[in-house]
Amino acid sequence: SQTIHQWPATLVQPVGSPLSLECTVEGTSNPNLYWYRQAAGRGLQLLFYSVGIGQISSEVPQNLSASRPQDRQFILSSKKLLLSDSGFYLCAWDPGQGRWGYTFGSGTRLTVV
Amino acid sequence: GIQVEQSPPDLILQEGANSTLRCNFSDSVNNLQWFHQNPWGQLINLFYIPSGTKQNGRLSATTVATERYSLLYISSSQTTDSGVYFCALGTSYGKLTFGQGTILTVHP
Repeated sequence: SQTIHQWPATLVQPVGSPLSLECTVEGTSNPNLYWYRQAAGRGLQLLFYSVGIGQISSEVPQNLSASRPQDRQFILSSKKLLLSDSGFYLCAWDPGQGRWGYTFGSGTRLTVV
Repeated sequence: GIQVEQSPPDLILQEGANSTLRCNFSDSVNNLQWFHQNPWGQLINLFYIPSGTKQNGRLSATTVATERYSLLYISSSQTTDSGVYFCALGTSYGKLTFGQGTILTVHP
C-alpha cells in the first residue's frame, strides 16, 4: 500500500535561519507531489507542485523553494526564514495521469520566532 | 481563478443530529473533493465527486455540476466527526483550490 511520510512534525526556527522539510512517498511511482501551507485560520494554499523529477512549478511568489531530487522525494526549503513563513505545511501526492487519489501527509507545524 | 465558498463557517451539533454542509464554486468542475481535517491536523479524503451522489457509511455527498454546488451530509453525528470539512476543486495536474472550510463541533 502507499504511504506518505513527512517530517519533522513540529519545528521552531529563528528568523533568518534556513529551512528544509522533507516528504517521501512509498508504494507508488511517478506520483504528482504537492506542498500546501495552511495559515492560522483555515484554508490551504498550494505552494508548489511537481509532475516529475526536477520539474517544479511555483504557484505563489515567496521566500520558499522546492526540489524533487528523486521520484518519490519532495523537499521544501528556505535560505532565510521570515516571520510570515510560520504555518502548517502539508505535503500531498496523487497518482497523476488522470487517476484519482489525493493523500496528505501528517504536516509540519513551523513557528518562526 | 476558481472561487470556492463554503457554508456555514461554523456548526455546533449535539451527538446524533444530522447536518448539511454546502460548497459553491465559480467554474465548471472536473475534480471536486471533500476532506476532513481532524483536531490534530490530519487531512483525510472523504469523497471524489465531480458529479452525482456517493455514500460512505453515515456520510454522503452530492454534486450538481450544472448549478455549481456540492453538499456533504452527515447523519447521526458523533464526537469523532468534529474537525474542519473542506471542499476543494481540482484544476490541471491535480492542483486543488480549497474553500475556507466548515468547523464542525459535535458535543456528547
